[in-house]
Amino acid sequence: AQSVTQLDSHVSVSEGTPVLLRCNYSSSYSPSLFWYVQHPNKGLQLLLKYTSAATLVKGINGFEAEFKKSETSFHLTKPSAHMSDAAEYFCVTMDSSYKLIFGSGTRLLVRP
Amino acid sequence: DGGITQSPKYLFRKEGQNVTLSCEQNLNHDAMYWYRQDPGQGLRLIYYSQIVNDFQKGDIAEGYSVSREKKESFPLTVTSAQKNPTAFYLCASSIDLKTQYFGPGTRLLVL
Repeated sequence: AQSVTQLDSHVSVSEGTPVLLRCNYSSSYSPSLFWYVQHPNKGLQLLLKYTSAATLVKGINGFEAEFKKSETSFHLTKPSAHMSDAAEYFCVTMDSSYKLIFGSGTRLLVRP
Repeated sequence: DGGITQSPKYLFRKEGQNVTLSCEQNLNHDAMYWYRQDPGQGLRLIYYSQIVNDFQKGDIAEGYSVSREKKESFPLTVTSAQKNPTAFYLCASSIDLKTQYFGPGTRLLVL
């Protein structure tokens, strides 16, 4: 069965430093993978998606993620954190019936 | 201005009362979804509809009902049978059954 595991429940970085949010996936076939961001009391916004076209996926707001089959990982990165990046981030995959499967989320804190 | 709208932003329910949450989209998407989010947790699927006049139960459908009479609308009713309705409810839509786009959410509180 498809699943995703977000390895950190909380990540804290200083403004201007790199961001790394980790996600491992489990899938019996080439997965669809997504990263969504949720600011407090808001809906989810799609940051980027992997659909097997390219292993390095660029998203909005300077975020990108690299699909590594050998490591079954899809980590989200950003070179320089901004205060507005503080939010909850969800790594998401999809099962064979097109249902989304959510990770437990990583809360990103950005220190001034 | 295209997108997904949900109303109201906050909704209060009394004991034994049914309440309906609105979800509208003007993206011409065929598929629509309802999720429930509890504090500190991911999203759980309540109901989904891939086409007008058809819908399927998700993982936690008990105590909820939906209708899909129009392509752009997918209202969710939280019935009195739902004993723990306090949550953040999110509606989503998709054109390709893969990428889902979410609305701003409705927070339901019990008086």
